[in-house]
Amino acid sequence: GESVGLHLPTLSVQEGDNSIINCAYSNSASDYFIWYKQESGKGPQFIIDIRSNMDKRQGQRVTVLLNKTVKHLSLQIAATQPGDSAVYFCAESPANDMRFGAGTRLTVKP
Amino acid sequence: DAGVIQSPRHEVTEMGQEVTLRCKPISGHNSLFWYRQTMMRGLELLIYFNNNVPIDDSGMPEDRFSAKMPNASFSTLKIQPSEPRDSAVYFCASSLRASNTEAFFGQGTRLTVV
Repeated sequence: GESVGLHLPTLSVQEGDNSIINCAYSNSASDYFIWYKQESGKGPQFIIDIRSNMDKRQGQRVTVLLNKTVKHLSLQIAATQPGDSAVYFCAESPANDMRFGAGTRLTVKP
Repeated sequence: DAGVIQSPRHEVTEMGQEVTLRCKPISGHNSLFWYRQTMMRGLELLIYFNNNVPIDDSGMPEDRFSAKMPNASFSTLKIQPSEPRDSAVYFCASSLRASNTEAFFGQGTRLTVV
């Protein structure tokens, strides 16, 4: 069946650098996408979302890019900080449910 | 609002026992989701409700799993009988409506079946 997947399972960056986390989705019916951050021992926490009628959305230090042509989603984190270290999940919503990708672990080196 | 509240936070039970996980969604939210998280399979959607009605339970692994939502402020996920392979973190999430809105997660219940 169709599923959400991630290109990179782990990402290590230097503090202050920008981070880019990628996600591939395969369900062309998905019209809503979300990035979540999960810290150890906690539930996923909403970061930013984007609807399929947009290709870019910016938040505080984060930007989500959506490329519907190749079914690709990315999360950019500017000036990555140690507190950004976590597992990041993309989720897609083709209908009334919400399906998650495998996750990428981001480690920020001081 | 206190957010999505799950109980218990941790549960250790013996194989064969019944386990009941509880969830209180955010007040006013119409959709509720149950997820299971493991290292091997990641975050799996088990079932979701819209206005207290189960919409899609295709993710429920076996008949041993059942979920109910008797009212808008309470849901349970029951495993009977439990097996060691059910060990995982179970998350409940709620959203304002079913589509195109973010879901808010509880802290999860870590279940260990020995």
